[in-house]
Amino acid sequence: EEQLVESGGGLVQPGGALKLSCATFDFTFRSYWMAWVRQAPGKGLEWVASIKHDESDEFHVDSVRGRFTISRDNVKTSLYLQMNSLRAEDTAMYYCARIGWYGLVGYFDLWGRGTLVTVSS
Amino acid sequence: DNQMTQSPSSLSASVGDRVTITCRASQRTSTYLNWYQQKPGKAPKLLIYAASRLQSGVPSRFSGSVFGTDFTLTISSLQPEDFATYYCQQSYSFPQTFGQGTKVEI
Repeated sequence: EEQLVESGGGLVQPGGALKLSCATFDFTFRSYWMAWVRQAPGKGLEWVASIKHDESDEFHVDSVRGRFTISRDNVKTSLYLQMNSLRAEDTAMYYCARIGWYGLVGYFDLWGRGTLVTVSS
Repeated sequence: DNQMTQSPSSLSASVGDRVTITCRASQRTSTYLNWYQQKPGKAPKLLIYAASRLQSGVPSRFSGSVFGTDFTLTISSLQPEDFATYYCQQSYSFPQTFGQGTKVEI
């Protein structure tokens, strides 16, 4: 069964760092773009970052650019999000998502269950 | 950024009702618009991609349409399992943006 499993979340102090991981199962990971999407408690969804299938390019939302870095390991079939200089407003459930394509239209067709990041002193 | 505005923010409906949710883009989006369903404590689930294409395994009572920069998600006959929050998302340009969500309640 195709599956995404996030890990690495937890409680961290403001200014701290955390690295999220997303393990993938039963699909050809190296063929897919991947993304991180977050959801603050009681709020809506926010796209955070995407990475091309071959690591040739990455995209980040302005609010995390320079602090967060998306990366992947196509041998380990895993996706990562390195989060530095964390702020209270980064508190959220972080979802790993696979990007599917219909022509040039991308969409998130497979999601993990999420890992919770709490930034608080 | 391309702001996506959903309406209404919430609605109350009964089983069997026809429900329509609208998403308006602030910039050109073409058909790069997707719809997701999220239930409490769960990850979002893809319903519709490219404005009108039904994701595999999603019931045919869900449909999507577009007119200019206005997008519509329609549930033709609401079922008990459809009570959830629905989000639109544009993938035409970065940053990709979601609507604020529409909560469908009993």
